[in-house]
Formats: sequence, structure tokens, C-alpha cells
Amino acid sequence: GQNIDQPTEMTATEGAIVQINCTYQTSGFNGLFWYQQHAGEAPTFLSYNVLDGLEEKGRFSSFLSRSKGYSYLLLKELQMKDSASYLCAVREDSGYALNFGKGTSLLVTP
Amino acid sequence: DAGVIQSPRHEVTEMGQEVTLRCKPISGHDYLFWYRQTMMRGLELLIYFNNNVPIDDSGMPEDRFSAKMPNASFSTLKIQPSEPRDSAVYFCASRGQGWGNTIYFGEGSWLTVV
Repeated sequence: GQNIDQPTEMTATEGAIVQINCTYQTSGFNGLFWYQQHAGEAPTFLSYNVLDGLEEKGRFSSFLSRSKGYSYLLLKELQMKDSASYLCAVREDSGYALNFGKGTSLLVTP
Repeated sequence: DAGVIQSPRHEVTEMGQEVTLRCKPISGHDYLFWYRQTMMRGLELLIYFNNNVPIDDSGMPEDRFSAKMPNASFSTLKIQPSEPRDSAVYFCASRGQGWGNTIYFGEGSWLTVV
């Protein structure tokens, strides 16, 4: 089984940087994913980490430490449209499905 | 390319009625997933298929829920009889082969059981 923890809510200011943390406990690990979900919409893929280190993609970066069971999503130059829920998901090495945390609701204020 | 297509988008039904949710995965994807999302429990995996065969149905809540995938381009999730606690958003998702491939979600079916 898995246990995935992330903060419930965060607030940040437009133009700032915010870091959303995710910790996980799993019996087997084969990848960590971040998804973005706007209210009333489907989750959409943001990033994927399978090796330790930082993956950068435009304003968004994701970091993974497998030994610590820890990841974070870094959002730079925040925009109002970044207000959304950010879901951390882990894939076990025994399957192809993703198990999701409950998500972090990010509010970007002017 | 068309994404994952789900129907209906919204359904309101009375307790005890049968509900059938439908999904067409992305063409060429051989994995199909059904997830359920609620405020309390977040996004939960119900069942997933590989090449139309159910691989893991351990997330299906109880016998009232059933899922089928008769061919590579169609899947159904059925609830019979429905109960108010089944009210949720039901997402279908698909992915292709390859360990790094990600999962793509449909727009969801918003179910309300009254």
C-alpha cells in the first residue's frame, strides 16, 4: 500500500515562487508524477520523476529524493491562472496505475 | 487527436436506479483506468484494464460496482443499485505502452444520486 501526504492548502502572491511538498511511503516505487487540476476540470499532466534530482519544464520544476520519499513541485513567476489543485501521484513497481495524494489547493492572489 | 471521451458529463439519478458511465480511450492506448474523485477521499483508483483485460479491481467499492471493456475503444462502469454515497466525479483515463508514458484523463462524469 501507499501513503501520500501533501499540504491541503497554500496561498501565494502573483509573481512569487511557491514550493508544494509531497512525501510518500510505498512498498515499491517506479515514478512520481505531478498533475494540475483546475476546478471542475480533469487533472492534466505536469511532470514525471523516476530518478533523484530536479526536472525543469518552463516555470515548473519537480524534485525527487527516493531515499527520503520526498518530492516537491516548484512554481516560479506565479500567475493567477496557476490557482488550482496540484496532485502528487506515485506509481509502484508492480503496476501501471497511479495512486494520488489528496491534492494541494493553491490560491494565487494579486 | 481526440482525448479520452466520457459520457454522460452530468447525471442526476434517484437512489436505487442503475447508472452506466461510458468511456472511449485515446486510440492506440492499451491501458484504461477508472478513478473516482470526492472531496473527502480525493482521487481513488477503482479498476484498470490492459488490452481489455481487468488487471486490478481491488479499488471497486463493492458488488454494486462493475466494469467491462468489450473492445479496445470502449469501456463501461456500472453502478446497480446506486446510492447517495456514490455521488462523485468519475474519471476515465488511458495511457500507452512504455514505462515513462503518462496517464491522460477524460473530462469526467459528474454523478449525483438523490
